[in-house]
Amino acid sequence: DIQMTQSPSSLSASVGDSVTITCRAGQYIANSLNWYQHKPGKAPKLLISAASTLQSGVPSRFSGSGSGTDFTLTISNLQPEDFATYYCQQTYNTPSTFGQGTTLKIK
Amino acid sequence: EVLLVESGGGLVQPGGSLRLSCAASGFTFRGFTMHWVRQAPGKGLEYVSGLSFNGVTTHHANSVRGRFTISRDNSKNTLYLQMGSLRVEDMAVYYCARENGYPRYFDLWGRGTLVTVSS
Repeated sequence: DIQMTQSPSSLSASVGDSVTITCRAGQYIANSLNWYQHKPGKAPKLLISAASTLQSGVPSRFSGSGSGTDFTLTISNLQPEDFATYYCQQTYNTPSTFGQGTTLKIK
Repeated sequence: EVLLVESGGGLVQPGGSLRLSCAASGFTFRGFTMHWVRQAPGKGLEYVSGLSFNGVTTHHANSVRGRFTISRDNSKNTLYLQMGSLRVEDMAVYYCARENGYPRYFDLWGRGTLVTVSS
C-alpha cells in the first residue's frame, strides 16, 4: 500500500492567516491526490481533487498544488469555519490510502 | 436530496460479528463504485473496503482482509459491510463514501455509524 505522510500533524493559526499543509506519497502517484476537510460529528468533505481541482462550492481561499510525490494544500485568509482536520488521500493505487491528518487549531 | 445514511453500528464483543448498511438516495446508486472508510477514536481516516458498481471487483485494506466482506444490493440502493472476527482495534466510526471522477475521488459521504468492540 502507498504510504501518505502529512505535515505538520497539528497547526495553530489565527483568523486571517494563511497556512500550508504538505502531503508526501511513498511512491509516484501522478496527480491522484485529494484533500478533505473533516469536522467532529460530520461527514468528511471533499475540497480538492486531482491535486488542484477545487470542488464546486468550496471557497477560493483553498488551493492545492503538486504532482508526483509532493503536494500542498494552502488556505488563505483563514475563516473561523476552516478550523478542522484535513486529510490527503491517494487514489493512484488500490487500496486508496489517507494521510494521518493535520488538525488546524485556532491560536 | 443526494444522501448516504449508515446504520447497523453498536456494541459487539471481541470475536463477534456485525453488519453495517449504507442506504443511498438521490442518485443512481448502481452506477457508482462505493467504499467504506473508518475513523478510530482519536485517529485519522482509514480506508476499509471498496466495491465496484456491478459488485464484481472488491478492495480491502490489509487490516480487514479475510474478516470483512463488502457487498451491495443495487435493487435496494444499499451497500453493506459484513464484519467478522471483530477486534478492539476495529472500534471506529464507519463511513460509506461514493467514488466519482478520474482521477478518482470520494465526493459524497455519510455521517457514519459507530462500532464499539468491547467485552
